[in-house]
Amino acid sequence: EETLTQAGGGMAQPGGSLTVSCEGSGFTFGAYWMHWVRQVPGKGLVWVARVSPEGRPEYADSVRGRFTASRDNARSTVFLHMNNLRVDDTAVYFCGSYLYIPYHFYMSRWGRGATVTVSS
Amino acid sequence: QSALTQPASVSGSLGQSVTISCTGSGSDIGAFDFVAWYQQHPGEPPRIVVYDVTTRYMWTSERFSGAKSGNTASLTISGLQDEDEADYYCSSYSRTSTILFGGGTRLNIL
Repeated sequence: EETLTQAGGGMAQPGGSLTVSCEGSGFTFGAYWMHWVRQVPGKGLVWVARVSPEGRPEYADSVRGRFTASRDNARSTVFLHMNNLRVDDTAVYFCGSYLYIPYHFYMSRWGRGATVTVSS
Repeated sequence: QSALTQPASVSGSLGQSVTISCTGSGSDIGAFDFVAWYQQHPGEPPRIVVYDVTTRYMWTSERFSGAKSGNTASLTISGLQDEDEADYYCSSYSRTSTILFGGGTRLNIL
């Protein structure tokens, strides 16, 4: 069974840093783009970033320059390093990938989410 | 990167059909056939329903169908069942190499 197991997150002050991680199992992790999507509780989904199988990241405008998406294929893990956090970064962060779909613009497997709270 | 536009809520009775719209622009929905729909129940991660505008994912019932015309995509759910009550989100790839989501639509079963 293909699964994504998330860890990390927590609380930080504005301007602080946090990291969330996502470990894949049951599939060839290194062959797939990986996405990060966030959701403020009670609100909608917002795409944050994606990382190519080779580790090349792309970002939403709202996080570019502050967040870094990376991966370690040997550990089947993708990371989202969040710096210079703002109160409006508070959300549940999901990782996802597109198993059994030809194109990498989708997420057919999702992690359970990691909560990030930014507050003074 | 503006979100795609969806109605906040739609309602339908058991056994009936509903359609949820998703409006974008010529830089996203109108430019590519990379539109997906996700279903999300409270406290759960989203679950893909349809991708490539019309292709149902392996676990998706035939009651769900996607379509697109110009800059607007739609998801039609026929034969409504209790378990269909959820939030639905559309997404599209965009010319800026980013992925846009709609604001979400709450489907209420009457």
